[in-house]
Amino acid sequence: GAVVSQHPSWVICKSGTSVKIECRSLDFQATTMFWYRQFPKQSLMLMATSNEGSKATYEQGVEKDKFLINHASLTLSTLTVTSAHPEDSSFYICSARRGGAKETQYFGPGTRLLVL
Amino acid sequence: AQKITQTQPGMFVQEKEAVTLDCTYDTSDPSYGLFWYKQPSSGEMIFLIYQGSYDQQNATEGRYSLNFQKARKSANLVISASQLGDSAMYFCAMREENQGGKLIFGQGTELSVKP
Repeated sequence: GAVVSQHPSWVICKSGTSVKIECRSLDFQATTMFWYRQFPKQSLMLMATSNEGSKATYEQGVEKDKFLINHASLTLSTLTVTSAHPEDSSFYICSARRGGAKETQYFGPGTRLLVL
Repeated sequence: AQKITQTQPGMFVQEKEAVTLDCTYDTSDPSYGLFWYKQPSSGEMIFLIYQGSYDQQNATEGRYSLNFQKARKSANLVISASQLGDSAMYFCAMREENQGGKLIFGQGTELSVKP
């Protein structure tokens, strides 16, 4: 089946540093990828839609300058949390949409970010 | 207004029995898709089943079936013959085609399977 990888799976960083998270679709091309954030015991909240070759579309309330998204190729999207602060600590998870006869959306394993 | 509503924060089911997880949605887009995902404690989102708004038949995937009632705007997940490994969070999600394909999630239902 389709696989989406995410790296790193865990990251602990100091406040003020930047963290880059990679999302890759391993066996299909994804023109669109999505980035979500999930706090403990809560649902997934969409942060932005990442489109290959164009600027990301951010959801209302998500800071574009803080959460930089780059969709460099049909299989790779990156999320950079700039100048991270403790309130940015969360579970970040990406997904890639696969079209065709079996329409679905596959998720990466997620990245747990802890900002000290 | 909530686009996707899951009214059951937690559910219990006896092993080997069937369980229904509720999901209602709200959209004016005639073209949409409904998804169910399972999220175990590890955090990964596992795709379970998909139902398109134009699909004539209810979707089924192994022990999972989706009870799609379009007029009522409900898309309940039925898990037959529950197993201990089914204990997890379950999320219903909707994709509206006029919204760029993004998924909007419900609040989730925590399912616990009792031995």
